[in-house]
Amino acid sequence: ETGVTQSPTHLIKTRGQQVTLRCSSQSGHNTVSWYQQALGQGPQFIFQYYREEENGRGNFPPRFSGLQFPNYSSELNVNALELDDSALYLCASSSGRAQETQYFGPGTRLLVL
Amino acid sequence: AQSVSQHNHHVILSEAASLELGCNYSYGGTVNLFWYVQYPGQHLQLLLKYFSGDPLVKGIKGFEAEFIKSKFSFNLRKPSVQWSDTAEYFCAVNPLFSGGYNKLIFGAGTRLAVHP
Repeated sequence: ETGVTQSPTHLIKTRGQQVTLRCSSQSGHNTVSWYQQALGQGPQFIFQYYREEENGRGNFPPRFSGLQFPNYSSELNVNALELDDSALYLCASSSGRAQETQYFGPGTRLLVL
Repeated sequence: AQSVSQHNHHVILSEAASLELGCNYSYGGTVNLFWYVQYPGQHLQLLLKYFSGDPLVKGIKGFEAEFIKSKFSFNLRKPSVQWSDTAEYFCAVNPLFSGGYNKLIFGAGTRLAVHP
């Protein structure tokens, strides 16, 4: 069974640029959630995708957007990067959209200069 | 707003000492509860979870947690820690509501260092 994978592992961008992060869900999982983990804090929920549609969203501005593909992999896009967007971005997959346990990938560490 | 509080940000113990990490949440409805662990250089891993039933749940590596609904708490315990338990521990809550999506609210984490 393949776990959750994310790419790239590290990324450096400058303010105002755009970034795309990728996630492959665990085998058999149809739901992907994205989290932002700033240094010294717990992960914060960005949004969830279920069957290729955004299913729920946390307190993040519209410049954070995503996609889910028919194979359940997902992308997180961030436009107009700000310094505060520097963080570890985590992807988690689950076998359903409500109560099921989420399994996390290793994350992508983004640094915005 | 829903939130999760972890009482200790840093804990230092000697091997064989007992461990209890506190976790409280603010949400009056039904919840699913989790403890995740992040070992140095590794990704978040599930330690244990509570969905329903017996409020005392057992997880991997000898960890257990007790859900006390009246206190909105889900404390993590281990009777005797090992050096390999050195890690960061996160309590997380999934508040179940009509929105029907799976949103985890995390605490800020507790860094545990176990000395041989």
